[in-house]
Amino acid sequence: GESVGLHLPTLSVQEGDNSIINCAYSNSASDYFIWYKQESGKGPQFIIDIRSNMDKRQGQRVTVLLNKTVKHLSLQIAATQPGDSAVYFCAEIPSGGTSYGKLTFGQGTILTVHP
Amino acid sequence: EPEVTQTPSHQVTQMGQEVILRCVPISNHLYFYWYRQILGQKVEFLVSFYNNEISEKSEIFDDQFSVERPDGSNFTLKIRSTKLEDSAMYFCASTRGTGVKGYTFGSGTRLTVV
Repeated sequence: GESVGLHLPTLSVQEGDNSIINCAYSNSASDYFIWYKQESGKGPQFIIDIRSNMDKRQGQRVTVLLNKTVKHLSLQIAATQPGDSAVYFCAEIPSGGTSYGKLTFGQGTILTVHP
Repeated sequence: EPEVTQTPSHQVTQMGQEVILRCVPISNHLYFYWYRQILGQKVEFLVSFYNNEISEKSEIFDDQFSVERPDGSNFTLKIRSTKLEDSAMYFCASTRGTGVKGYTFGSGTRLTVV
């Protein structure tokens, strides 16, 4: 079953360090996987996505890795900055069918960056 | 950059009252969504809307909920008779297609049912 609760996993890093945030997904038929950043009082903000036929994708200071064998997704943030402090969610979109862009979110990780 | 706009930002209502949450999606987008986030939990899908009808809804989206696109710009979520457990952040999102590109969330409406 799903694991939900009031306490999200947390990650604390020093400014300048690299951060790795992990996510386990459940639907092996998902077509796209996305990382979102959510700052306090705001909606989820797109960071980077990866298609299911890829295993790595790089953006500006961020890299997403997809391991379909173990259904694991990770987000690497290089040279983490205080402005990166937020809750990070992974999400997946199923492939085709009648799921009209429905996103299924993971539990989220709270990233705190200390100056 | 185009934005999804939600109003109000915070709404307090008494249990049993009806509320309407409003959203203005990005103008050339075709797919519209409502999501909910209970405090401290993950974002949950409620409903998707395309071509003036519901495309998909979750089990959360029961008969108390309805959505409407009353004109060419607004997209609303109505909760008919609010319950304490409806207290949450409600996010509207829109996208031009069904994929990831341009999938944009609003800043949300915090609904507090007392």
